[in-house]
Amino acid sequence: QQQVKQSPQSLIVQKGGIPIINCAYENTAFDYFPWYQQFPGKGPALLIAIRPDVSEKKEGRFTISFNKSAKQFSLHIMDSQPGDSATYFCAVSSGTYKYIFGTGTRLKVLA
Amino acid sequence: SAVISQKPSRDICQRGTSLTIQCQVDSQVTMMFWYRQQPGQSLTLIATANQGSEATYESGFVIDKFPISRPNLTFSTLTVSNMSPEDSSIYLCSVAGEGGEVREQYFGPGTRLTVT
Repeated sequence: QQQVKQSPQSLIVQKGGIPIINCAYENTAFDYFPWYQQFPGKGPALLIAIRPDVSEKKEGRFTISFNKSAKQFSLHIMDSQPGDSATYFCAVSSGTYKYIFGTGTRLKVLA
Repeated sequence: SAVISQKPSRDICQRGTSLTIQCQVDSQVTMMFWYRQQPGQSLTLIATANQGSEATYESGFVIDKFPISRPNLTFSTLTVSNMSPEDSSIYLCSVAGEGGEVREQYFGPGTRLTVT
């Protein structure tokens, strides 16, 4: 059973657009929600993370929106650039260091 | 964040052989993990590498197939034993437990393994 569902699987936007990637979870015990960016041939890099006591967090052009009641969280990339083209993974964690990752979203930003 | 290196970066191995992957961190870290990422797929946790004791394996992964060592707080190895083509994946180590948010995990560059 998939504990975190990520959508869409792939996404194409124009430069300057705002791609939105969504993740949904079932277990209310999850209390830490990071997002990772992975370029081909590289390891995942931590972008931004949120805890359930806040509804939004911004770091640079990356924003996480968190809806505790709906058990959903989203990554928004403002003013997207071709260099943002990568695969993005959400993850969830429940009181431990162990992560469960989403299935990934392949983003392509057109110049 | 810690700087993590892995060796080898890639390898092509014959079926039935074993490969040991090294993970080196430039500072002492509390937690180290090993993940597998099959081609085009997400990351799956193999085990937590415990310093000075046996690793803690996730469901579906066993010590005989993936023996792990962690002799100190900066180094760990993962061995993929008796390999088959199904073991072709990227193997990643990660670390956590440092800095203000102790649950932040940082990943190494990965080892791309192809089994023929």
